[in-house]
Amino acid sequence: NAGVMQNPRHLVRRRGQEARLRCSPMKGHSHVYWYRQLPEEGLKFMVYLQKENIIDESGMPKERFSAEFPKEGPSILRIQQVVRGDSAAYFCASSPGHPSTDTQYFGPGTRLTVL
Amino acid sequence: SQQGEEDPQALSIQEGENATMNCSYKTSINNLQWYRQNSGRGLVHLILIRSNEREKHSGRLRVTLDTSKKSSSLLITASRAADTASYFCATDRSGTYKYIFGTGTRLKVLA
Repeated sequence: NAGVMQNPRHLVRRRGQEARLRCSPMKGHSHVYWYRQLPEEGLKFMVYLQKENIIDESGMPKERFSAEFPKEGPSILRIQQVVRGDSAAYFCASSPGHPSTDTQYFGPGTRLTVL
Repeated sequence: SQQGEEDPQALSIQEGENATMNCSYKTSINNLQWYRQNSGRGLVHLILIRSNEREKHSGRLRVTLDTSKKSSSLLITASRAADTASYFCATDRSGTYKYIFGTGTRLKVLA
């Protein structure tokens, strides 16, 4: 049973470009979460999605960031017009059921570098 | 300060010694989880402890939870060089699902 998969593992973008980060949850998991980790800091919650629904995006910056989890395919975190401050590691996690009772399993992360 | 703060921020010990890390939080929780993160890598889940549990063991790991003090501790016994990593606690507030991570304890085990 493969774990949470994220790609790419490393992504380099120039200021103003778009970044698309993909996350495939563990098999049987229908809940996906995105977190951002700045250097030397802990993870910060960004968004919680179930299939085709955004449940909570209170941790997402109001502009330039969006997330989706379509019926088919991976969850996508999209950052438009990236700026240097977006450089961070972005982690995706998934759980089989309600997050208050289930462990969240994390992927290896995507390290975004904005030049 | 944020929910879920680890203490100490950094810890350096000799192989074979025990390592204890603490986590404090502010609000009522459903669960508290400990994760390990090797440098530049993803998070590995270690233990989940529920608010009605006081202690859990997994191999060389022992986690305690004191809800009256809003604190948890992670004990790694007989540490190994491979235990060198950052350790994070993550808490979810009762009634929500967002896990709040602390800034972590950076453990270094010297061979």
